[in-house]
Amino acid sequence: NAGVTQTPKFRVLKTGQSMTLLCAQDMNHEYMYWYRQDPGMGLRLIHYSVGEGTTAKGEVPDGYNVSRLKKQNFLLGLESAAPSQTSVYFCASSRTKGDGADTQYFGPGTRLTVL
Amino acid sequence: AQSVAQPEDQVNVAEGNPLTVKCTYSVSGNPYLFWYVQYPNRGLQFLLKYITGDNLVKGSYGFEAEFNKSQTSFHLKKPSALVSDSALYFCVFNAGNNRKLIWGLGTSLAVNP
Repeated sequence: NAGVTQTPKFRVLKTGQSMTLLCAQDMNHEYMYWYRQDPGMGLRLIHYSVGEGTTAKGEVPDGYNVSRLKKQNFLLGLESAAPSQTSVYFCASSRTKGDGADTQYFGPGTRLTVL
Repeated sequence: AQSVAQPEDQVNVAEGNPLTVKCTYSVSGNPYLFWYVQYPNRGLQFLLKYITGDNLVKGSYGFEAEFNKSQTSFHLKKPSALVSDSALYFCVFNAGNNRKLIWGLGTSLAVNP
């Protein structure tokens, strides 16, 4: 049981390049999330998914796209990377819709630098 | 506006001493409160949560937190700090649905040998 895994762990992009971050969970969780962590700003929600085939915008969705084609995977895409997207990206998952009580479990993070 | 605040950017404590990491919240209704820890260059790990019931919540690695409704606080505590407890601690609350976690800015805990 690996929990939540993320690939890659590190990436350096040039401005304008594209990339996809992959998140996988083996806990059969319904909900999945993408966050970014920036110094002094805590974590901010980019996009989330409440189930296979569904996605929704979070607090800071601009410049990102996501897809949830399979229940266990949640992909985050950057179509044209910008230096402002330099950050640490975390994926998380939780069991069910709940009422806010369910714990979110996090992956190890991806450190992205955009030059 | 609903929010959570961690008033201390950094807390220093000697190994073996008790530690407290403070958190206060501002939310309408009943909050669901969490503590997460982030060790250097690692992901976020869940420590404990308060949903309802007993105000004293026990979590992983010997940590506990007390929910105080009158003071709108949810301070994290441990009776005897270890050097390995040195990390970044986040107080988090859920705004009533599983989509929206509101994060504090974090408190860096340094435990000195």
